[in-house]
Amino acid sequence: NAGVTQTPKFRILKIGQSMTLQCTQDMNHNYMYWYRQDPGMGLKLIYYSVGAGITDKGEVPNGYNVSRSTTEDFPLRLELAAPSQTSVYFCASSLESPQHFGDGTRLSIL
Amino acid sequence: KQEVTQIPAAPSVPEGENLVLNCSFTDSAIYNLQWFRQDPGKGLTSLLLIQSSQREQTSGRLNASLDKSSGRSTLYIAASQPGDSATYLCAVYTGGFKTIFGAGTRLFVKA
Repeated sequence: NAGVTQTPKFRILKIGQSMTLQCTQDMNHNYMYWYRQDPGMGLKLIYYSVGAGITDKGEVPNGYNVSRSTTEDFPLRLELAAPSQTSVYFCASSLESPQHFGDGTRLSIL
Repeated sequence: KQEVTQIPAAPSVPEGENLVLNCSFTDSAIYNLQWFRQDPGKGLTSLLLIQSSQREQTSGRLNASLDKSSGRSTLYIAASQPGDSATYLCAVYTGGFKTIFGAGTRLFVKA
């Protein structure tokens, strides 16, 4: 059982670069989420999706974009990386509750 | 605005002790409360989920209670083991795809 798979696990970016964090799930869940976790803080919701073609903003969406073309995949895009986006990013999926989490992508912007 | 608070760090404890981790939230209008475990470099694993109409849930050595009126939940770990060392997070679901997470309590159990 793969569950929720995130790639890459680690990445270092330069300020102004762009990248896409990949997330895929094999549980046929309708709901998918992107969170960021900063040291000493709880997870903050960036974007979520209730199904293919439907996405909405969470608490901290600025600087990010998402798309959901299939049930399985929910990529997160950073267009112009900024130091404030240094964080650990988690993707999750669910039917209702509980949410199932990937192992995260640790991203550093230098 | 809903806020979830956890004591950030628990003292290291010897193996075998019974432990209580605390979580408090400011708004009692929640649908459910979850406790998660997070190991270093890993994602969150759901341990227990308590619906708003429930008072407690149990799984093995873990017991979680919920008191909505006072905005509190506790996670009780019986007979702690070194393998219980991790960060424990609580989160409340308030509807509209909003799950508010606490910052977590880091636990270290000594052998």
